[in-house]
Amino acid sequence: EPEVTQTPSHQVTQMGQEVILRCVPISNHLYFYWYRQILGQKVEFLVSFYNNEISEKSEIFDDQFSVERPDGSNFTLKIRSTKLEDSAMYFCASGRKGDGQPQHFGDGTRLSIL
Amino acid sequence: AQRVTQPEKLLSVFKGAPVELKCNYSYSGSPELFWYVQYSRQRLQLLLRHISRESIKGFTADLNKGETSFHLKKPFAQEEDSAMYYCALSGRAAGNKLTFGGGTRVLVKP
Repeated sequence: EPEVTQTPSHQVTQMGQEVILRCVPISNHLYFYWYRQILGQKVEFLVSFYNNEISEKSEIFDDQFSVERPDGSNFTLKIRSTKLEDSAMYFCASGRKGDGQPQHFGDGTRLSIL
Repeated sequence: AQRVTQPEKLLSVFKGAPVELKCNYSYSGSPELFWYVQYSRQRLQLLLRHISRESIKGFTADLNKGETSFHLKKPFAQEEDSAMYYCALSGRAAGNKLTFGGGTRVLVKP
């Protein structure tokens, strides 16, 4: 069964540095999402992406964050200048359609900011 | 704004006992409700969606629009059901993003 893959599984970075989290969605999916989960808290929506542009973003997704689909397979989340509070588990998800169709999640990247 | 509430952080039951995980939501529109499960060290996996009205691994969930609930039930819990369970909501008015509850950890004791 096809899966969403995320790399790296764990990223440790100094505060202020840039990080890029990578995702390969399921190949025939058209809708892409990033979520994050701070330790002990809810899974929170960050951004959705469709047709090569952001379709929706949350208040968390400020100017420090950006997403890109640089080729036909990868979907990346960049954090420009990391802060301690960016430490979290970041999940990528993809879906074949929008409209409340189920989303398929990757294993997540644990981001630790020192 | 949409919201999902899972009032129980932890449910501990004995093997063979019934288990019910509560989920309540608020949403102005026609909601799509899901249950996701996360087994130890694994990814979030879709367990159920209300529109399918199916039973997966013995679990069922019924959408009650009057009570704005989508509780997850299983009549006879198994040890392999021990996991984290998340109720989630989506829909057109929500821009198709998922809004998650806080999760309920289920521990099934032998």
